[in-house]
Amino acid sequence: AQSVAQPEDQVNVAEGNPLTVKCTYSVSGNPYLFWYVQYPNRGLQFLLKYITGDNLVKGSYGFEAEFNKSQTSFHLKKPSALVSDSALYFCAVRALWGSGAGSYQLTFGKGTKLSVIP
Amino acid sequence: NAGVMQNPRHLVRRRGQEARLRCSPMKGHSHVYWYRQLPEEGLKFMVYLQKENIIDESGMPKERFSAEFPKEGPSILRIQQVVRGDSAAYFCASSLSAGGGNTEAFFGQGTRLTVV
Repeated sequence: AQSVAQPEDQVNVAEGNPLTVKCTYSVSGNPYLFWYVQYPNRGLQFLLKYITGDNLVKGSYGFEAEFNKSQTSFHLKKPSALVSDSALYFCAVRALWGSGAGSYQLTFGKGTKLSVIP
Repeated sequence: NAGVMQNPRHLVRRRGQEARLRCSPMKGHSHVYWYRQLPEEGLKFMVYLQKENIIDESGMPKERFSAEFPKEGPSILRIQQVVRGDSAAYFCASSLSAGGGNTEAFFGQGTRLTVV
């Protein structure tokens, strides 16, 4: 079974400072990894994904994430936080297609609430 | 290109009534997924459908819940005889493919179901 852990329920960061939102995962075989952001009363917006290739993935709104296979982590980062980045962030994993039952299911972490303080 | 469209955005039902949630995938997407988000929790997979076929319904409760994705028209998530515990946000997502590089799922804005 695949799983995702987001160890921090909430992250507070001052505007202009770098931010990191942590994610670790467990999956059989090689993973597809995703970050989504959810604004209040809205759906999830896709930020970025890792499938293969470079371990550093760049996404929307200046976000990036670093895939670390040995640590089974996929932390979300941004060099300089904006107040408008305040939202709920979800990390998700799925197994590679064809690797077994449920390989198309996204498994989400519980989410990390990011608050950027002006 | 419109995104994933879900309606209604908000739905209030009394206990015992039926709830029907609709989802139109992005243009060109034939893979549809339904997820449920309970308060203070992440999204939980419910069902994966392709046109006219249920591929995986392992996340669906065994009773009262059903889903379809007909050849024409939106995907429907149907909840019969709703109970208070069904109150949640239900999200639909679609993708271009289920494997390969275009695997990211695009989500709708959700339907927030409240059972009173």
